[in-house]
Amino acid sequence: DTGVSQDPRHKITKRGQNVTFRCDPISEHNRLYWYRQTLGQGPEFLTYFQNEAQLEKSRLLSDRFSAERPKGSFSTLEIQRTEQGDSAMYLCASSPPPGLAGLYEQFFGPGTRLTVL
Amino acid sequence: DQQVKQNSPSLSVQEGRISILNCDYTNSMFDYFLWYKKYPAEGPTFLISISSIKDKNEDGRFTVFLNKSAKHLSLHIVPSQPGDSAVYFCAGTSYGKLTFGQGTILTVHP
Repeated sequence: DTGVSQDPRHKITKRGQNVTFRCDPISEHNRLYWYRQTLGQGPEFLTYFQNEAQLEKSRLLSDRFSAERPKGSFSTLEIQRTEQGDSAMYLCASSPPPGLAGLYEQFFGPGTRLTVL
Repeated sequence: DQQVKQNSPSLSVQEGRISILNCDYTNSMFDYFLWYKKYPAEGPTFLISISSIKDKNEDGRFTVFLNKSAKHLSLHIVPSQPGDSAVYFCAGTSYGKLTFGQGTILTVHP
C-alpha cells in the first residue's frame, strides 16, 4: 500500500493555458475526492466519485473545471483557460467503503501546487 | 457560509503540557467530525474522529470532545510533544464529503 499519489507535485503555467492533474488512489478504495486549498484556509470540497460515477460537484467547480475517473481507478482534474485565481494546492483523497460505523475515512495525497502567472 | 470555524489561528504550548484546539460548527447534518494534522508540503493526515452521537473519543494522547448543544468540539493532546507542531484542521462530514475549518497552527516548544 503506497498511499495516495498525485502528479505533478508542482505546476507553473501561464494564464489561459490548460492544465491536467492526476491522482492515483489507494487500491480498492472506491471513493475518490478532489479538494482545493488556498493559503490560510482549510481544504474546500470540489467533487467526488464513487467508482467511475461522479456523484457530486461543488458550486466552486466552474465550467472550466472537469474531472474524470474513467475506470474507477485513477482520476484526472483538468482546468481550462487557467486564471490567476486558480492558484492553489489541489488535494486528492480516497476512502474505502464505510465501516460498520458508517465513517468514510479519507486518506490524502501530497497535493499538486498550481501557480498561474 | 463558514460551516466549520476554528477561531484561533495559532496556539503555542510547552512540551509536556496540554494542547487544546477548538472548533465550532453550524451544520446540524454532520454525522461525524474528524481532526487532521498537516505538515508543510504534505497532505492532511487523519488523527481521530467522533460520531455525532458520542461526546468523547480517545486514542492515545489524543481525545476529542463533542458538545452538540453548543455545536462545539475540541481536541486535547496530552502530553504535547515537539513533533506535534503542525497545522490542525477540524472537519465535519455528511455523506462522505468533508467540510474543513481554517486550521490552527500548533507550536510545541521544547
